[in-house]
Amino acid sequence: GQSLEQPSEVTAVEGAIVQINCTYQTSGFYGLSWYQQHDGGAPTFLSYNGLDGLEETGRFSSFLSRSDSYGYLLLQELQMKDSASYFCAVRDYGQNFVFGPGTRLSVLP
Amino acid sequence: NAGVMQNPRHLVRRRGQEARLRCSPMKGHSHVYWYRQLPEEGLKFMVYLQKENIIDESGMPKERFSAEFPKEGPSILRIQQVVRGDSAAYFCASSPKDRGIYEQYFGPGTRLTVT
Repeated sequence: GQSLEQPSEVTAVEGAIVQINCTYQTSGFYGLSWYQQHDGGAPTFLSYNGLDGLEETGRFSSFLSRSDSYGYLLLQELQMKDSASYFCAVRDYGQNFVFGPGTRLSVLP
Repeated sequence: NAGVMQNPRHLVRRRGQEARLRCSPMKGHSHVYWYRQLPEEGLKFMVYLQKENIIDESGMPKERFSAEFPKEGPSILRIQQVVRGDSAAYFCASSPKDRGIYEQYFGPGTRLTVT
């Protein structure tokens, strides 16, 4: 089987930088994705890492290291609207779609 | 360009009734995925479909649950004889082709309450 682990909660202030980690156990997978979900809303796609390294999209960056079974989402210049839950997700070679439990980010003024 | 549409947005059913949840993928998308989410929890994969074909239903409970994606019309997730434990948000996502977990577009969800 496979599992993804994330911190349950993270708190930061406006303008700060925050990193949300995702560690996983899986025999093999195609890539690591990140999704954002506001309370009562639908998940929205943020970023995807198919290869090791850093992917940057505006204020958000995502990193993957397959050798370390580890990835992270980096949010810079935090804004109040970034308060949401963030999920990492993989599709493994067994074709299973697996989401992490989610990290609830609270941005304080 | 309309996004993924789901209806109803809220559904209340009594125990033992049937629930039918509909999902219309984005235009041009031929792959549909259904997920279930309990409060304060992550998304649990249920089923992956293409038109007229179930690709992967490994996340579907063996009984009472079924899904289809006909040649014409929306994808349907059907729950027969609902129980209180079925109360959850059910999300549908679509993608233009088999991109796996990469860039799925989610609908607003159907919140099912079983009384």
